[in-house]
Formats: sequence, C-alpha cells, structure tokens
Amino acid sequence: EVQLVESGGGLVKPGGSLRLSCAASGFTFSNAWMSWVRQAPGKGLEWVGRINSKTDGGTTDYAAPVKGRFTISRDDSKNTLYLQMNGLKTEDTAVYYCTTDPSGIGNSPRGYWGQGTLVTVSS
Amino acid sequence: QSVLTQPPSVSGAPGQRVTISCTGSSSNIGAGYDVYWYQQLPGTAPKLLIYAISNRPSGVPDRFSGSKSGTSASLAITGLQAEDEADYYCQSYDSSLSGSWVFGGGTKLTVL
Repeated sequence: EVQLVESGGGLVKPGGSLRLSCAASGFTFSNAWMSWVRQAPGKGLEWVGRINSKTDGGTTDYAAPVKGRFTISRDDSKNTLYLQMNGLKTEDTAVYYCTTDPSGIGNSPRGYWGQGTLVTVSS
Repeated sequence: QSVLTQPPSVSGAPGQRVTISCTGSSSNIGAGYDVYWYQQLPGTAPKLLIYAISNRPSGVPDRFSGSKSGTSASLAITGLQAEDEADYYCQSYDSSLSGSWVFGGGTKLTVL
C-alpha cells in the first residue's frame, strides 16, 4: 500500500526556517518524481516545487513565490523527501502536502498524496 | 489569480449530471499538456480523480469522466450522490513557467 507521511510542521516566526519531511513506503521511491503542494487556510492548491528521480537527473523546479527560499531534496536510502524552508513569510502559512507525480513517470504510483502538515508563520 | 480558471461553485440534485470547466491557454492545456482532476473532501487531502485528460485511477467510479477541447477541459459527474459534495481542482503544466504545475482555483460542488 502506497503511503506518504509528512512531518515537521509547526509554528515559526517570520524570517525563520523549518524542514519538512515526507516518508514514503509501498513503492520504489527512488524512481519517483515527487512534488510539494501547499494549501493556505480556506484557499486552493498551490504547487511549491518538484524533484525528479536521480535517474532522470535529480533536478528541481520551484514556483516563483518560493524560489531562492525553499529547497527540495531527497534521500533515496531513507525513502524520504524533504522541503527546507528558509526566510519564511506569513503568506507561507499553509498545509504542505507531498505527492507523487500524477503522470506515473518512472513507473511510479500516480497522484498519491500525504495527509499534510501545517506550517504557521506568525510572530 | 489562478492560471487555470474554474467556476467557484456548481450545484445539482441527486441523480443529476453536472460539469465543471477548466479554462487555460495556449501555454498549458492548449499546448497539449495532460489535464488532471482532484477531489478534495472536507478536511482531507486531495485525491486523484482523473489523469491524462480522461482516465480514471482504479477505484474511481465511472460516474466521473474527463474531456478536453482546445484550451479547456471539463469534468463531468453523472448520477450525482451526496458523497460527491467536495472541492474539485484541475491541474496541468505550463510551458511559460518552465513546465511547472498549475492548478485551477477550485470548484465547490454542492449536492442539493
């Protein structure tokens, strides 16, 4: 059974840092392209960024609002995806989800989402 | 402002058919990128409902169907049921944003 479990959310002051983790199981994590998506309270979904599999270069892409402040990485030996968030702003307050790519690229399970972890940026 | 445009809300009575539109442009849906649809029940994570425009993952009822024409896509739900009441989001990719994912703003479906 495919499972994605996020952790690491919490309350942080503006300008602070936080690292989120997403523990994956039930599929070959090393083959998967993974993304982070966030949802501000009462708002819609917003893509944060993506990391390709190492086989496909391990490259990352980011949405404009987080580029230069957030970094996505992966540890395939631990089946874990990370989101390092620096220079946090109040507008980064959201539930953060990790998700597998819906295209199924890399023969990975399509479009699975974790339960999300809440990040609150407030003084 | 979302890159993909969806109506904020739609409604229908049990048993009826509803459609949700998703309008994009020549840099996303019109460029030939696949379209995906997600269902988000209250207080839960989104769930993939339709992939690659019109395909259903295992376990998704055939009451849900997707289509695409030009720069727009649609999600149709037939035989509406109370448990279909949820938020629905479309998603695609955008070449003007280096292949980034783009989402619609979401549509709240109310079953009357």
